[in-house]
Amino acid sequence: AQSVTQPDIHITVSEGASLELRCNYSYGATPYLFWYVQSPGQGLQLLLKYFSGDTLVQGIKGFEAEFKRSQSSFNLRKPSVHWSDAAEYFCAVGGKEYGNKLVFGAGTILRVKS
Amino acid sequence: EPEVTQTPSHQVTQMGQEVILRCVPISNHLYFYWYRQILGQKVEFLVSFYNNEISEKSEIFDDQFSVERPDGSNFTLKIRSTKLEDSAMYFCASSGDSDTQYFGPGTRLTVL
Repeated sequence: AQSVTQPDIHITVSEGASLELRCNYSYGATPYLFWYVQSPGQGLQLLLKYFSGDTLVQGIKGFEAEFKRSQSSFNLRKPSVHWSDAAEYFCAVGGKEYGNKLVFGAGTILRVKS
Repeated sequence: EPEVTQTPSHQVTQMGQEVILRCVPISNHLYFYWYRQILGQKVEFLVSFYNNEISEKSEIFDDQFSVERPDGSNFTLKIRSTKLEDSAMYFCASSGDSDTQYFGPGTRLTVL
């Protein structure tokens, strides 16, 4: 069965510092991978996605993620964090083989120190 | 930019009552989904809907749940007789190609 692990429940970084949020997945076929962000009181906003091709994908708000098949990982990165990036980040896996339903990780709450 | 909308933002109901959660998907999308997130737990899939019928449903989606697309714009989730454990945030999502899902802001359901 598909599963997603986000090992870090909370992460705190200083404004201007770099960020990496970890995501590992288990999937029996070619995965579609996603990162969503949820700000307080808001819905899930799509940051970026990976279907195939170049393993480094760019998203909105200056985020990028790298797909590493050998490590079953899809880590999210940002070179310089802004205070407005404070939110909860969810990694998700889906794909046609499983009806395109998304399986989510537990989320990582990002706090930004000024 | 088109977006998925959901109403109400917060619904409070008594146990055993019926609730209907409403969603307006992005206008040219054909695939619709409901997910829920119980406080402190993962976002979990409930049901997918395409071509006016359920494509897939999870174990959670039992006979107490139903979905409907009553007109060309709305997509609803009905819970027939709510239980305390139905308290959660319910997210609607839509997709134009079935690959990428766009989510609404959610409805927080509180069952007393």
